This record gives sequence, structure tokens and C-alpha cells, in this order.
Amino acid sequence: NAGVMQNPRHLVRRRGQEARLRCSPMKGHSHVYWYRQLPEEGLKFMVYLQKENIIDESGMPKERFSAEFPKEGPSILRIQQVVRGDSAAYFCASSAGAEKLFFGSGTQLSVL
Amino acid sequence: DAKTTQPPSMDCAEGRAANLPCNHSTISGNEYVYWYRQIHSQGPQYIIHGLKNNETNEMASLIITEDRKSSTLILPHATLRDTAVYYCIVRVAGGAGSYQLTFGKGTKLSVIP
Repeated sequence: NAGVMQNPRHLVRRRGQEARLRCSPMKGHSHVYWYRQLPEEGLKFMVYLQKENIIDESGMPKERFSAEFPKEGPSILRIQQVVRGDSAAYFCASSAGAEKLFFGSGTQLSVL
Repeated sequence: DAKTTQPPSMDCAEGRAANLPCNHSTISGNEYVYWYRQIHSQGPQYIIHGLKNNETNEMASLIITEDRKSSTLILPHATLRDTAVYYCIVRVAGGAGSYQLTFGKGTKLSVIP
């Protein structure tokens, strides 16, 4: 039973490029969450999605960031025109309901 | 979600029990206590959660005081692999906003050989 799969594990982008982070939830899970962890800080909630719907994006920056969870395929967190401040670890979690969240290993984004 | 207070760091000798405290004096009646841990560079790992009764699973035990204002996570026989940051989080289970986990700074547990 595979856990939450995130790829890539490491992503390097130059300023102004786009970053696409992918997350495949655990089998049977229809709830996906994205969290960001800046260096030396705690994890911060970004967005919560169910299949084809954004339920809560209150933690997502208003510009350049978007997320989707299509009917088929993984959830995608997209960051356009990356800046150095976007460098962070991005974690995806999934759940079957509201109790336990299971986290992936994260994507470390480095912006040069 | 209610705010929690944890010591920033703790040491524990390998093989001994690690007791990690958490204060949550403003917890509401419908809020659960959750514990997660994050081993360096990895995603957070669920450990245990409870409402008011003590809970035990294969990883740990959770002791919640009768007034629910504090709790203790117990790792019965700490190993070097238990070195991690441990987060105590209170949240409602179900309903609007229940999915957001508010991570504080946690307790950095160092297991010493």
C-alpha cells in the first residue's frame, strides 16, 4: 500500500521560471492538502482540495500560486514566475476523511 | 484551533521512556489532541490522537489530564530513530476547518546513545 507520493524530490528553478509539484494521494484518499515549510520554520497550510474542487485556499498566496486536483491524475501545485522567497519544502498530505493526514516526503524547491 | 505550548527541546537516553509534555489550556470540548513528528527533511508522521481518554498504539501512549488542559506523549523505549521534532496539535475532527493542522515550533527530541 503505497503512501503519498510526491515528485520531484528536489526541484531547481531560476527566477522567473515555473515550478510544478506533483502529489499522488494514498489509494482510496480523495482529500489532498498542500503545506509549505520555509527554512527553520514550521509547516504552514496552503490549500485543501477534493477531486476537481478547491475547498479552502486561504493559505495560498494570492498571486503566482495555483493548485488543482483533477478527476484523473495527481494533484498539481503550480508556482509561476518563481522568486527566491519561494524556496522551501512543499509537503502534500492526503486523507480519507477528517481524522488522520498522511504526508509525503516533500519536494524541496530551490530558486537560483 | 487552540494554541499549544511545548518545550523547545528535550534529551532522552536511548532505551528510556521519553515523556513529551504539551499544554493546551484553551482547548474546547470538541477538540482532539493530535501528535505528529517530523524527522529531519521528511514529511510529518502521524503518531496518535485522543479526545479525553488515554490512548495507546504501537508507537506511543497519550495521557490526557482529566481537565484536558495538558497532555503527555510517551515513547516507552526511545531509540536513536525517534530523534525528531514532535508537534502537539489540537483540532476539531470533522466540520469546517477541521482539515487544517496548525503546526507550532514543537519539541526537538534528541535521543542520546
